[in-house]
Amino acid sequence: AQKVTQAQTEISVVEKEDVTLDCVYETRDTTYYLFWYKQPPSGELVFLIRRNSFDEQNEISGRYSWNFQKSTSSFNFTITASQVVDSAVYFCALSDDGNYQLIWGAGTKLIIKP
Amino acid sequence: DSGVTQTPKHLITATGQRVTLRCSPRSGDLSVYWYQQSLDQGLQFLIQYYNGEERAKGNILERFSAQQFPDLHSELNLSSLELGDSALYFCASSVAAGGNPDTQYFGPGTRLTVL
Repeated sequence: AQKVTQAQTEISVVEKEDVTLDCVYETRDTTYYLFWYKQPPSGELVFLIRRNSFDEQNEISGRYSWNFQKSTSSFNFTITASQVVDSAVYFCALSDDGNYQLIWGAGTKLIIKP
Repeated sequence: DSGVTQTPKHLITATGQRVTLRCSPRSGDLSVYWYQQSLDQGLQFLIQYYNGEERAKGNILERFSAQQFPDLHSELNLSSLELGDSALYFCASSVAAGGNPDTQYFGPGTRLTVL
């Protein structure tokens, strides 16, 4: 069965610190897709990244970076030099090939203190 | 702004009532998805429509139903409402033209409060 685990319920750091949000997934499929979404206090879900299981290259987008490791079934998200505007709940999600529904982790609430 | 619109933004109603939530997908997207976000269950997939046809069903209660119209907008109907149905309901859309799951873009959500 598919499952996504975000063990960190809440993380609090001071602005400018680096922070890593963990995501561990379970699936029997060899082809699957992983996603990260951000939910700011305003409530909407904002897409951050989509990664397929055959692309293990790490990705960097500005202050955001993602580390995908199939060996440990993890897809971790790092924010470098965090800012107050990064405060939000971050969700990791999984979708199998041919199955469009997203299976969600419980989310990690990130608090960035000034 | 994702390009997905949802109305209404907030809805307050009483137990036993029926409500309809509306969603318009991004231009060009053929698939619409409905998700429920509640404090105890987190984010859960409810149902997916592709070009007017139901494609996948998740944890959707029998009291809930959905449809996608020829203009591709979708409606989620919730009936015989219970207190536990209070949640944030999201609509998402994607192109979904091929076999691979593509990116779903989410609307702002409808917050339903059942009193």
